[in-house]
Amino acid sequence: GAGVSQTPSNKVTEKGKYVELRCDPISGHTALYWYRQSLGQGPEFLIYFQGTGAADDSGLPNDRFFAVRPEGSVSTLKIQRTERGDSAVYLCASSLLSRPTGEEAFFGQGTRLTVV
Amino acid sequence: AQTVTQSQPEMSVQEAETVTLSCTYDTSESDYYLFWYKQPPSRQMILVIRQEAYKQQNATENRFSVNFQKAAKSFSLKISDSQLGDAAMYFCAYRSPMITGNQFYFGTGTSLTVIP
Repeated sequence: GAGVSQTPSNKVTEKGKYVELRCDPISGHTALYWYRQSLGQGPEFLIYFQGTGAADDSGLPNDRFFAVRPEGSVSTLKIQRTERGDSAVYLCASSLLSRPTGEEAFFGQGTRLTVV
Repeated sequence: AQTVTQSQPEMSVQEAETVTLSCTYDTSESDYYLFWYKQPPSRQMILVIRQEAYKQQNATENRFSVNFQKAAKSFSLKISDSQLGDAAMYFCAYRSPMITGNQFYFGTGTSLTVIP
């Protein structure tokens, strides 16, 4: 696609429910990142994929959070037993190369998750 | 982990005037990449300008320029001839050249208001 696409744009869920957030990166981009942005804060790293594998998942806050990228393109961030503290904007970004360079990451418009 | 600090939560500038946004960072690496991203209300992060640490020359992109002081670990953004469309959150970001830690580290952001 022309840009990084994230669905849904907004998601309201009840505490304790399971949610899936989808990211469709720019075609051909090998690297994919998930970030979480709480109100008034900068994006906070969650997980980074090189192709299909999670190269760095050190930012996932606990085992309720999990992400997959089975075919090296679309990624899904999964949150189990949601808590009110999970409410935030979840941003996805992709970049062309997996190796670190000065190239930019292209961001989607995020999914605003609200846990009530 | 690297830290990025933006000490100005909010800034304002008169239309057509110049404003400078501050950013400092902490790292033990000698080579790295620095970025300024703009986040309008649409939530999508857009690259404004980037700087490679090994380059001494300050990056410029039209009305946007940086003052990169490597020894001081400072990376400020100057916006000249400010326009109403420049109003947004601005985030400074650091990226490591290492495979591990390929993520972007973001500051907490500066909210820029442009006064007509």
